[in-house]
Amino acid sequence: AQSVTQLDSQVPVFEEAPVELRCNYSSSVSVYLFWYVQYPNQGLQLLLKYLSGSTLVKGINGFEAEFNKSQTSFHLRKPSVHISDTAEYFCAVSLRGYSTLTFGKGTMLLVSP
Amino acid sequence: DTAVSQTPKYLVTQMGNDKSIKCEQNLGHDTMYWYKQDSKKFLKIMFSYNNKELIINETVPNRFSPKSPDKAHLNLHINSLELGDSAVYFCASSQGSDSGNTIYFGEGSWLTVV
Repeated sequence: AQSVTQLDSQVPVFEEAPVELRCNYSSSVSVYLFWYVQYPNQGLQLLLKYLSGSTLVKGINGFEAEFNKSQTSFHLRKPSVHISDTAEYFCAVSLRGYSTLTFGKGTMLLVSP
Repeated sequence: DTAVSQTPKYLVTQMGNDKSIKCEQNLGHDTMYWYKQDSKKFLKIMFSYNNKELIINETVPNRFSPKSPDKAHLNLHINSLELGDSAVYFCASSQGSDSGNTIYFGEGSWLTVV
């Protein structure tokens, strides 16, 4: 079975600083990888996903993530964060083919002025 | 237009009651899901339906009964509510059953059992 580990439960940063949210996964077979964002009291929105091809994936709102197969990681990055990026970020994995998402426990990104 | 809409958004009810949460998607998708988010924000799949047929049931107590009258709707009925059922329930949908397809989530239904 696959699993996802988000190493940081909370990441505080100042506005305009760069940020990296870490995600590691475990699976014995090939997977798809996702990052979702959840703003307060709202549902989840897809930021980006890796299915195949280029290991650097660009998403919405200036976020990007890099798939590293050897390190089984899929870290999320943004070069300059805004106050409005304050939210919970979830990394998720699914097996290729028919499968549902397995989520990590989330990382709360707190951006302060 | 809300792509995946669920009602009610907030629900407070007593232990032992029966309640339903309704979900509708206007994206033309053929796969729908229910996810549960607990108080620690951990998200877990409960059910998955494809073309109105149950595909996945993830060891959910049989007090929870999903019903899909058509491809655009997936309702969740919960019998004999317990304190531990307090959570946020998210409905979601995707086109096709391939796991690489983007899943679109509703805004959630906050259930509090007292």
